[in-house]
Amino acid sequence: AQSVTQLDSHVSVSEGTPVLLRCNYSSSYSPSLFWYVQHPNKGLQLLLKYTSAATLVKGINGFEAEFKKSETSFHLTKPSAHMSDAAEYFCVVSDLENAGNMLTFGGGTRLMVKP
Amino acid sequence: EAQVTQNPRYLITVTGKKLTVTCSQNMNHEYMSWYRQDPGLGLRQIYYSMNVEVTDKGDVPEGYKVSRKEKRNFPLILESPSPNQTSLYFCASSFEGRSNQPQHFGDGTRLSIL
Repeated sequence: AQSVTQLDSHVSVSEGTPVLLRCNYSSSYSPSLFWYVQHPNKGLQLLLKYTSAATLVKGINGFEAEFKKSETSFHLTKPSAHMSDAAEYFCVVSDLENAGNMLTFGGGTRLMVKP
Repeated sequence: EAQVTQNPRYLITVTGKKLTVTCSQNMNHEYMSWYRQDPGLGLRQIYYSMNVEVTDKGDVPEGYKVSRKEKRNFPLILESPSPNQTSLYFCASSFEGRSNQPQHFGDGTRLSIL
């Protein structure tokens, strides 16, 4: 069975400072991992994905994440936060074990950016 | 523009009154899925469809029905809604039902069952 834990339900940073959103996963197989962002009243938008290629994955809007198998982590980072980054972020794991019922979502991390 | 379209976006209704939430995608995707989002729980899958006429239960299927008569449409049916189905619902699609393919999400439907 697969599972995802987002270690912080809320993160608050000041504009221009680094962002770190933490995610740990468990999976019986070689997983695919995703980060999605959800702005208010919007659906989920893909930020980046890891699918067994390079362990450092670059996404949109300056975000990146590093897959660390030994730590079963896939933390999301950004060097400098912008006000428009305020949103909810979801870490998602997917593996082959459950064909069709593929995605397991973390509980979400709400990012707040202070001026 | 490639998109997943859900209707309605908002609905307030009463217990027991049948309702349907429509979902349509214009990307010729084979795989479609419905999720509900509740605070602190992330998204949980209700039903999914690997292709036309092929549907299966997700993690929380009780109280819901789906159908996939056409590739582009995947309606979610609540035959007798109850207050515990008050939630934010998302439809999603991907080219195939493979674990390494990201899903495209609609903008959501907020249902309130009184």
